[in-house]
Amino acid sequence: QVQLVESGGGVVQPGRSLRLSCAASGSTISSYAMHWVRQAPGKGLEWVAVIYYDGSKKEYVDSVKGRFTISRDNSKNTVFLQMDSLRAEDTAVYYCARFNYYDSTGSKIGLDIWGQGTTVTVSS
Amino acid sequence: DIQMTQSPSSLSASVGDRVTITCRASQDISNELAWFQQKPGKAPQSLIYAASILQSGVPSKFSGSGSGTEFTLTITSLQPEDFATYYCQQYKSYPLTFGGGTKVVS
Repeated sequence: QVQLVESGGGVVQPGRSLRLSCAASGSTISSYAMHWVRQAPGKGLEWVAVIYYDGSKKEYVDSVKGRFTISRDNSKNTVFLQMDSLRAEDTAVYYCARFNYYDSTGSKIGLDIWGQGTTVTVSS
Repeated sequence: DIQMTQSPSSLSASVGDRVTITCRASQDISNELAWFQQKPGKAPQSLIYAASILQSGVPSKFSGSGSGTEFTLTITSLQPEDFATYYCQQYKSYPLTFGGGTKVVS
């Protein structure tokens, strides 16, 4: 069973950058789209970004477009989130999650495996 | 963007109760809806996908129904480990969106 481990979180000043990593073990993630989802303190879940299995397509929530970049290195079984021009409102726990495509009935399975999260705090 | 509205935002229940949570989508999402359970300090765990299919390993006391714009999550015979926050999420189109969450408390 695949396990996802995020790293790279920390405390950073507004306007600075941070790069998060999500390393998979136990199985390859090269056939799966990978997502980042965040959760601000005491708030609900917010989807951030996706990268398709081969890196050919990327999507972002409007609030991070132009500031965040998702990427992947399938040879290292790792997904990244480069976060630039950070703002206080980016403070959150960031989770990576695997999107599983289809089961035997042809139904999309969705975000089935999640990492434990890494905390990003943007503060002066 | 597709808006997901969950109700109630919190509910009080007792061990053994049957609990129902509702999720409404702002437009037709077919059956592309998932339910997640989250406990404090932990990552969300997938319970249900395609509106009604249990993820592997999830007990049958959880069930989901609905299609189009109206969905429900039902938990039968609530147990102490079921007190948590539950989220619905649509994956019909980007941006993926979550409901605001329902906190189940004793």
